[in-house]
Amino acid sequence: EIVMTQSPATLSVSPGDRATLSCRASQSVNSYLAWYQQRPGQAPRLLIYDVSTRATGIPDRFSGSGSGTEFTLTISSLQSEDFAVYYCQQYKNWLVFGQGTKLEI
Amino acid sequence: QVQLQESGPGLVKPSQTLSLTCTVSGGSITTANYYWGWIRQPAGEALEWIGRVYTSGTTKYNPSLKSRVSISIDTSKNQFSLSLTSVTAADAAVYYCARAPKFNLYLDSWGQGILVTVSS
Repeated sequence: EIVMTQSPATLSVSPGDRATLSCRASQSVNSYLAWYQQRPGQAPRLLIYDVSTRATGIPDRFSGSGSGTEFTLTISSLQSEDFAVYYCQQYKNWLVFGQGTKLEI
Repeated sequence: QVQLQESGPGLVKPSQTLSLTCTVSGGSITTANYYWGWIRQPAGEALEWIGRVYTSGTTKYNPSLKSRVSISIDTSKNQFSLSLTSVTAADAAVYYCARAPKFNLYLDSWGQGILVTVSS
């Protein structure tokens, strides 16, 4: 099974800052990598799929990059609504989520 | 825009069977383009994929749950269902249903989730 490791577990930032979240796969997942945002009490929401393709309605301050085993989600200028938990997920081999990164003020 | 809604008991006794249904609206569950799946999230923990079903009825399950899980589809009602047998406290979680494009298992539409507690 492919293991997905996210870092850091918690990231403390300020509105307007740039945030960089990392996700590492235990083996190559090619480009089969997605990112989700989960606000408290809500279902996850798809942000990015295929490493860098934004889902419908996702603002362009969210961007994804990487390949193989190392991936990054960047939020260019944090808005108040962006403070949430972010999960990466590989879908090359079955479907496995990372443990999440909490973005806090 | 497709919408998904989970329903079912919020409380299940240990050793019994958890049964949930997901009702799909705004689109047909018979579309050839999507899988329909279940994910769960214990309190304060990460997401865990349970399994998925296709319109044909074919299924695939998380190996860690395979012996206890069954997912079925009812195209006449535009619903799909989850059954998890022999539940324990470890099965307590928010359960989500979701949709994934066929051949690419990212989840592009989610239900709001339903909290299931396991207690006698």
